[in-house]
Amino acid sequence: GAVVSQHPSWVICKSGTSVKIECRSLDFQATTMFWYRQFPKQSLMLMATSNEGSKATYEQGVEKDKFLINHASLTLSTLTVTSAHPEDSSFYICSAAQQQNRLDYGYTFGSGTRLTVV
Amino acid sequence: QQQVKQSPQSLIVQKGGISIINCAYENTAFDYFPWYQQFPGKGPALLIAIRPDVSEKKEGRFTISFNKSAKQFSLHIMDSQPGDSATYFCAATPFGGYNKLIFGAGTRLAVHP
Repeated sequence: GAVVSQHPSWVICKSGTSVKIECRSLDFQATTMFWYRQFPKQSLMLMATSNEGSKATYEQGVEKDKFLINHASLTLSTLTVTSAHPEDSSFYICSAAQQQNRLDYGYTFGSGTRLTVV
Repeated sequence: QQQVKQSPQSLIVQKGGISIINCAYENTAFDYFPWYQQFPGKGPALLIAIRPDVSEKKEGRFTISFNKSAKQFSLHIMDSQPGDSATYFCAATPFGGYNKLIFGAGTRLAVHP
């Protein structure tokens, strides 16, 4: 089945620094990837939709200059949290969409990245 | 109209029992309804999904029931096991075109031995 690899699985950084999270589709090409943020005991909050070769589409309220998304190839999307602050600490998850057949439309998720800003 | 309402928020079931989680939607453009299972510290994993051309889909112990007229769908976990203890999310989206998933709030299921 489709596999999405997300790296790193956890990261601790100092306030003011930037952190890059990678999301790779290992066995399929992902034209579209999605980035989510999840707080403890809450649902997934979509941050942005990333399309290969074009600018990401950000959800309302998400700062595009703070959360930089790059989707330079059909298998790699990156999320960079710039000038991180403790309130950016969260669980970040990527997802890639793949149409498998008429009935199955797969949205495969990465394993997530736990970001802690100290 | 973009919301997917999920209930209950939490659920405790005895081993061997049936776990039932319900979701409702308003947007009639939605026609792909997946259910995801998430363990702590992990990304969601697809359990089962349904499209409106069928009213029920079964895969092993997991069944989706779909009521198009009521705009409701539910997940049934038969013979629930302690290993099923996780958070379950329903979602919905228009099929095709790589549209974003709209997630429910999630249900934390605990299956007691």
